[in-house]
Amino acid sequence: GAVVSQHPSRVICKSGTSVKIECRSLDFQATTMFWYRQFPKQSLMLMATSNEGSKATYEQGVEKDKFLINHASLTLSTLTVTSAHPEDSSFYICSADREHEQYFGPGTRLTVT
Amino acid sequence: AQSVTQPDIHITVSEGASLELRCNYSYGATPYLFWYVQSPGQGLQLLLKYFSGDTLVQGIKGFEAEFKRSQSSFNLRKPSVHWSDAAEYFCAVGAGQAGTALIFGKGTTLSVSS
Repeated sequence: GAVVSQHPSRVICKSGTSVKIECRSLDFQATTMFWYRQFPKQSLMLMATSNEGSKATYEQGVEKDKFLINHASLTLSTLTVTSAHPEDSSFYICSADREHEQYFGPGTRLTVT
Repeated sequence: AQSVTQPDIHITVSEGASLELRCNYSYGATPYLFWYVQSPGQGLQLLLKYFSGDTLVQGIKGFEAEFKRSQSSFNLRKPSVHWSDAAEYFCAVGAGQAGTALIFGKGTTLSVSS
């Protein structure tokens, strides 16, 4: 149990376009989900905390107008990268909160050309 | 400040040899500690966790870790490394409360030589 999926696993988009990444908890409900960003050979950096039915809480330095997070249900959170630029290229990982643990999705590789 | 330090950026171990990956943390509350493994281009897989009780915890794939409060450490060990263990390893700490994100170390890359 406690499976988290992400879609898509890889996406390539052109500079200036927007891309949506979905994070789903498949077999449990998650009031809270987290979005992390990982640059090559680096650790995971928390971008934002997504709470079902309320606004996301963004970490310092993360542009909330650029990285739109919606947590419309207890099993789905979405991250939309708006007006993407090459510097937004990264590996995005979500996790869903369940009791004392976080369960991580497989990640989404975003490449902006 | 809350933080996790993994002093070793890259470690190379011969196949069959023992392994220890170091992790030190700074955390104001009672820490919930985790070790994750990540293969290239993949998500994170939980190896083991410590919440309370026995300070030596067993995980998957033959890994274990020991929590030492006096040293603020949670080192990961494996008695005999296999080539398939080559990956990135992350130590993380959290509050164990709903809605609290984990704080990750910078990771240690493990290479296994034959």
